[in-house]
Amino acid sequence: DSGVTQTPKHLITATGQRVTLRCSPRSGDLSVYWYQQSLDQGLQFLIQYYNGEERAKGNILERFSAQQFPDLHSELNLSSLELGDSALYFCASARSAGEWETQYFGPGTRLLVL
Amino acid sequence: AQTVTQSQPEMSVQEAETVTLSCTYDTSENNYYLFWYKQPPSRQMILVIRQEAYKQQNATENRFSVNFQKAAKSFSLKISDSQLGDTAMYFCAFMKVSGYALNFGKGTSLLVTP
Repeated sequence: DSGVTQTPKHLITATGQRVTLRCSPRSGDLSVYWYQQSLDQGLQFLIQYYNGEERAKGNILERFSAQQFPDLHSELNLSSLELGDSALYFCASARSAGEWETQYFGPGTRLLVL
Repeated sequence: AQTVTQSQPEMSVQEAETVTLSCTYDTSENNYYLFWYKQPPSRQMILVIRQEAYKQQNATENRFSVNFQKAAKSFSLKISDSQLGDTAMYFCAFMKVSGYALNFGKGTSLLVTP
C-alpha cells in the first residue's frame, strides 16, 4: 500500500458525460501528479500540482481540468467524454517539487466510456 | 523532449533464473534520474529501483540491480533469482532534474514460469 488513495476504483459512463476522479496523497506529500494509461498511448503525464498550485502540464486535453484543495487532495475533472478517454487514471504523490523525488502511485481509477 | 525505449515487449524466465530487461533513453540533459516501476496484474504501480545519473555506482535493491551506462544512455534492470511474484509489466522511466513528470517507456511484460 503506497498510502495514496484514489476513488472511485471503477467508473462506467456514457459519451458526453462529465466525471470527477479524486486523489488523496500520502501524508506530508505536497505534490500530486495525474497520469493516464491507455493501450495506444501508454503512460502519459497529464498535470502536476504542488501545494495547491498548478506546476506543470503534460498532454492534458482542454476538456480535462484538475485542482488541488487546501487539504492537498486533488480532483481530475473529465468532461465531454469520448470513447477514447477510456483508460486507467493514476494519481501519484511526492514530498516536494523542484528537486528530484520519488513518486508513489495510487491504485488508479479505471474509466470506461460507452 | 526525452524519449524512453524498451525494445522487449515480452520476456519470460524460469523461476530462480536471472533475467535482464533493457531500456534506452534519449536526452540532452547531464543530470537526471531513472526509475524502474513494476505493474503487476493488480495494476498498481510499484517503484522497484532508482538511479541518479551523477552516481557512477549502479543501484541495487535486494534481487534487483541496474546496469547504468550513461554514455550509451542505457539503463537495464537485472532480476536475480526470479520469483513467480515478479510476473508483471516493467516500466522504465526518466525524470529531468528540474522537471516534474516521469516519462515512461512502453513497458516489458515479464512472465516468470515454474
